Amino acid sequence: NAGVTQTPKFRVLKTGQSMTLLCAQDMNHEYMYWYRQDPGMGLRLIHYSVGEGTTAKGEVPDGYNVSRLKKQNFLLGLESAAPSQTSVYFCASSPWARGDTEAFFGQGTRLTVV
Amino acid sequence: EDKVVQSPLSLVVHEGDTVTLNCSYEVTNFRSLLWYKQEKKAPTFLFMLTSSGIEKKSGRLSSILDKKELFSILNITATQTGDSAVYLCAVRNSGNTPLVFGKGTRLSVIA
Repeated sequence: NAGVTQTPKFRVLKTGQSMTLLCAQDMNHEYMYWYRQDPGMGLRLIHYSVGEGTTAKGEVPDGYNVSRLKKQNFLLGLESAAPSQTSVYFCASSPWARGDTEAFFGQGTRLTVV
Repeated sequence: EDKVVQSPLSLVVHEGDTVTLNCSYEVTNFRSLLWYKQEKKAPTFLFMLTSSGIEKKSGRLSSILDKKELFSILNITATQTGDSAVYLCAVRNSGNTPLVFGKGTRLSVIA
């Protein structure tokens, strides 16, 4: 049972390079989220999706783009990486339900921009 | 803007101690409050609270919510070194909207 899988797990980028982080979930969840975690800052929401083909901005969206072309995948793109984007990135998903549900997290991607 | 404040930000205790972690919040149309434990990587779910005064319990961990005073506490009794982690509090407003997290409390339990 894979749950939420993020690739890659680690990456070092040079300033100005681009990259895409992939999040895949096999739980048929409607909702998917991208967070970043910096020391002393908790988890901050970058973008999220409430279903296939939809995306919305979170608290810190600048410098990132996302796409949800398939229900099971949520991609996070950095078009021109900056040192301020050095962080640990977490993807999460949750199902649609009448009541509230927990969010399930991937193992994280540690990104360093030099 | 929804806001979650956790205290203390860090805490060092000895094995066997009891600890109380605090989470206060401001959120429009409060729906639920969740606690997560984060050891090295992914946060793992502990509790979800939606009603005041009903204690949720799992082993040595318990949590309760006060919707009037807008806070929750997470208690850990007889702490063990394996309890060392960052404990995250998060809230959700109406609907199945994204969780808003606090900065976390880093708990260190020393033998």
